[in-house]
Amino acid sequence: KQEVTQIPAALSVPEGENLVLNCSFTDSAIYNLQWFRQDPGKGLTSLLLIQSSQREQTSGRLNASLDKSSGRSTLYIAASQPGDSATYLCAANNTDKLIFGTGTRLQVFP
Amino acid sequence: SAVISQKPSRDICQRGTSLTIQCQVDSQVTMMFWYRQQPGQSLTLIATANQGSEATYESGFVIDKFPISRPNLTFSTLTVSNMSPEDSSIYLCSVEGVEGDYGYTFGSGTRLTVV
Repeated sequence: KQEVTQIPAALSVPEGENLVLNCSFTDSAIYNLQWFRQDPGKGLTSLLLIQSSQREQTSGRLNASLDKSSGRSTLYIAASQPGDSATYLCAANNTDKLIFGTGTRLQVFP
Repeated sequence: SAVISQKPSRDICQRGTSLTIQCQVDSQVTMMFWYRQQPGQSLTLIATANQGSEATYESGFVIDKFPISRPNLTFSTLTVSNMSPEDSSIYLCSVEGVEGDYGYTFGSGTRLTVV
């Protein structure tokens, strides 16, 4: 059974810092891994999707990497801004089901 | 990627009543997924809905409590039946990507409070 864990659970940083959010999964037989952002009380916004054959994906200030053999993915946020404040969720896709991590709640203060 | 319209966005309901949540997708999709997010928790899959067949429920979720309809390839409803305060959650629908984009897209969510 796939289990997904995210570290840290919460993070509070000053504006401008570079951040690394971690995601671990127990079953490496994934199709892909997806990172989402969720604002309080809202739905999910997809940030990056990494296929199982890929090592990383980039979008603007965001970079996500995937190491299937070690069961890890990281989301790197460069030059953080207050608008980045949200909960970040990773989800592993096994057998056409998304298994979500526990989330990292990020606060970036001016 | 697909665009999903989900409604209502929020509701406050009396215990013992039922609420039906609707999701409309702007393209035809084979499978639609329904998730629950309890306060302070991550998302848990409730069921997978295929058009023309009964939904497949995950462990811990039953059809009598969460009946699902999937009348066509662009629409689905989830009903939360006989509600109790423990059902207070955000409910979200989701579809897998189309045209080679295999990422999942989510609706904006329904924030349900049961009093």
